[in-house]
Amino acid sequence: RKEVEQDPGPFNVPEGATVAFNCTYSNSASQSFFWYRQDCRKEPKLLMSVYSSGNEDGRFTAQLNRASQYISLLIRDSKLSDSATYLCVVEGSWGKFQFGAGTQVVVTP
Amino acid sequence: DAEITQSPRHKITETGRQVTLACHQTWNHNNMFWYRQDLGHGLRLIHYSYGVQDTNKGEVSDGYSVSRSNTEDLPLTLESAASSQTSVYFCASSESSGTGQETQYFGPGTRLLVL
Repeated sequence: RKEVEQDPGPFNVPEGATVAFNCTYSNSASQSFFWYRQDCRKEPKLLMSVYSSGNEDGRFTAQLNRASQYISLLIRDSKLSDSATYLCVVEGSWGKFQFGAGTQVVVTP
Repeated sequence: DAEITQSPRHKITETGRQVTLACHQTWNHNNMFWYRQDLGHGLRLIHYSYGVQDTNKGEVSDGYSVSRSNTEDLPLTLESAASSQTSVYFCASSESSGTGQETQYFGPGTRLLVL
């Protein structure tokens, strides 16, 4: 079993709609969680950290469920520019990241 | 502005050749990482360093080596390139804040093709 698993998608989303997807992780000792965004095999860029209480950044909401060991990302009012692959990242031992293979989101006009 | 750069951006080589990929960061970060990315896989950690003269193996380190002689650079060497090492390679760096929330900043990647 992979340490971090994501639904690869693609999630086809009409512009303006809401999309949500999860990421499960196997290491119950993980302390830090992130969502990164990657465009067309360019470098990943931090989208947001995921805090225990859940957090929002504009149209993006991240949640952490430690009991079930998953994190989620919700995108509201999707824009064409949100089309990308979203990488779930779980910090294992200090400073080292475990990456999911990514969830592709395609926002259509 | 601080940045992280990689060179070359594209490389074609033959099996058995030694190849070195450069990574240079001006963030003054102590932590540096090398990943490879292949279809169907997340980024997989090859080697990492927490400071000058420190290097550590990641989950896919066989056939690769790194050295850290200064803060800014962490070159990745493929000792004898194999076709299985065809991939996109990303270098990343982060500061040692000790918070557990260190953001990793990635270079633009190097696409390597081993024929």
